[in-house]
Amino acid sequence: GIQVEQSPPDLILQEGANSTLRCNFSDSVNNLQWFHQNPWGQLINLFYIPSGTKQNGRLSATTVATERYSLLYISSSQTTDSGVYFCAVFGSSNTGKLIFGQGTTLQVKP
Amino acid sequence: DTGVSQDPRHKITKRGQNVTFRCDPISEHNRLYWYRQTLGQGPEFLTYFQNEAQLEKSRLLSDRFSAERPKGSFSTLEIQRTEQGDSAMYLCASSREGVTEAFFGQGTRLTVV
Repeated sequence: GIQVEQSPPDLILQEGANSTLRCNFSDSVNNLQWFHQNPWGQLINLFYIPSGTKQNGRLSATTVATERYSLLYISSSQTTDSGVYFCAVFGSSNTGKLIFGQGTTLQVKP
Repeated sequence: DTGVSQDPRHKITKRGQNVTFRCDPISEHNRLYWYRQTLGQGPEFLTYFQNEAQLEKSRLLSDRFSAERPKGSFSTLEIQRTEQGDSAMYLCASSREGVTEAFFGQGTRLTVV
């Protein structure tokens, strides 16, 4: 089945810094989503981005489907950005479910 | 739109007991998914429904696990004869039919003692 790899696994930033999180996937995909898992465990939708670029405030995401990767940019990071970020994909040959990466744990220090 | 709702939020049970979790999807969504997440890992797929039909089950879903969605609305996930290894966060998600955006509930955290 499709493999999803995220990097880096852990990231520590000072408040105000920018960061880039990466998601690589091993096969063509029909869908890609970025989530932020809050401290209580809920997955919050950030982006639904099978291709192209989207922006939402200080966050933006780019998916280059032909090269099998997606990037999540966080600018001017705040302590509330801390948590785990997941990307998840529907593979083109496996449309029944989202396959998740292992996540990037972000800690933003004041 | 009240989002995906899961109940209970937390469950502590003794090894060997049966537990049942409920998920109410977003009302117009006909796909419903169950995932399990252990500490430090990404969510792992368990099963999904389209309307009342269970279309796929993971090998993770042993015969102690059963899921139902009898009327194509809410779903239940039952674990029989719980084991300590079943301790995890159980997440439910829903989406419209096809490859569309999925939305997750708050999860049910199970602790087996």
